[in-house]
Amino acid sequence: GAVVSQHPSWVICKSGTSVKIECRSLDFQATTMFWYRQFPKQSLMLMATSNEGSKATYEQGVEKDKFLINHASLTLSTLTVTSAHPEDSSFYICSAKGQLNTGELFFGEGSRLTVL
Amino acid sequence: QKEVEQNSGPLSVPEGAIASLNCTYSDRGSQSFFWYRQYSGKSPELIMSIYSNGDKEDGRFTAQLNKASQYVSLLIRDSQPSDSATYLCAVNMGGGADGLTFGKGTHLIIQP
Repeated sequence: GAVVSQHPSWVICKSGTSVKIECRSLDFQATTMFWYRQFPKQSLMLMATSNEGSKATYEQGVEKDKFLINHASLTLSTLTVTSAHPEDSSFYICSAKGQLNTGELFFGEGSRLTVL
Repeated sequence: QKEVEQNSGPLSVPEGAIASLNCTYSDRGSQSFFWYRQYSGKSPELIMSIYSNGDKEDGRFTAQLNKASQYVSLLIRDSQPSDSATYLCAVNMGGGADGLTFGKGTHLIIQP
């Protein structure tokens, strides 16, 4: 199956700093990756769609200048939370479609961000 | 507003019984439907996918789809304590590269 790896799995940072989260497809090429955010006891909310070689598409209400997405290669997408604040503390999960294009998503392990 | 609705639960089922999880969706044009299982603090893992009306069985799991009623369900037979988790219904409501729209999930508890 398609394996997606995410790093780091957890990170604690001070308010005002920036944090980068990496998402890699290990055994397939992913032209499109998706970044989700999940608050406690809530569902996954799509933040943005990351497209290799082009700008990301952000969902309504997601600040593109705060959540910087870079998809420079077919196997790597990064999400940078800039000037993080406590309200940005959440579980961030990346995902990618498999090569069979059946619509299912394969998820990374997730990154738990805590902003102090 | 495109939505996926689930009863948040908790749904408590005795071990060995059948657990029935339900989901409705708003976009009549949706074509792809998925059930993910999520343990606390972990990312979702795919349990079942279904694309056409009717039933699809895989081991102890059966997915049911009724596009006319905009309804999809998941049955878990011979429930085990390890099945205790949150089950997320996900629907592909767009074409091309769109991500999935998730329901809020149903918290399932299997009682030993």
